Amino acid sequence: DVKVTQSSRYLVKRTGEKVFLECVQDMDHENMFWYRQDPGLGLRLIYFSYDVKMKEKGDIPEGYSVSREKKERFSLILESASTNQTSMYLCASSLRSAVSISGNTIYFGEGSWLTVV
Amino acid sequence: AQTVTQSQPEMSVQEAETVTLSCTYDTSESDYYLFWYKQPPSRQMILVIRQEAYKQQNATENRFSVNFQKAAKSFSLKISDSQLGDAAMYFCAFYSGGGADGLTFGKGTHLIIQP
Repeated sequence: DVKVTQSSRYLVKRTGEKVFLECVQDMDHENMFWYRQDPGLGLRLIYFSYDVKMKEKGDIPEGYSVSREKKERFSLILESASTNQTSMYLCASSLRSAVSISGNTIYFGEGSWLTVV
Repeated sequence: AQTVTQSQPEMSVQEAETVTLSCTYDTSESDYYLFWYKQPPSRQMILVIRQEAYKQQNATENRFSVNFQKAAKSFSLKISDSQLGDAAMYFCAFYSGGGADGLTFGKGTHLIIQP
């Protein structure tokens, strides 16, 4: 069974702390995504990676960085957490090509709820 | 860059009735895929249905079907015989397999099922 795993479902961090959100996929996908989901705003892309050590900024990269040292792992880093980063963070992965035999193309993790106090 | 618009923040339907969720998009791409995802309170994104842009035939999955109008850039989801378990947020998504802007979501429609 294919899987995208986000290591932390619920986190509470203090303002100014460094926060790591980890995402691992076991499907050998090239593409990995980090989204932030807030009510009324839908899913907003923070960063995208299409290969090891490769990354592109999404719509809202400010205050975030990412790391992709291995193909299966894509980490989202909040260098100095702030209260306006309280949100639900979703990781996703896909093949470089949109075609997938299974009919599904994009796989999502279960989300990480981050509260910054 | 692509944009995806879901004009209905919330929809309500009686159980067993039919409801249609609307989605429009804007792109200059010719090859792409469109999806509807369901997100229940657990927040797990579940693929409901997918449509390849090169296919003229509308996709169907059991009670779920789409009305894909490529020229109008419209991709609506019809849910027949609505069930309580259909209550969720529904997201329309566009995917062209490209870079960071290759995957774009709408803001979602909250579907309420009235018993």
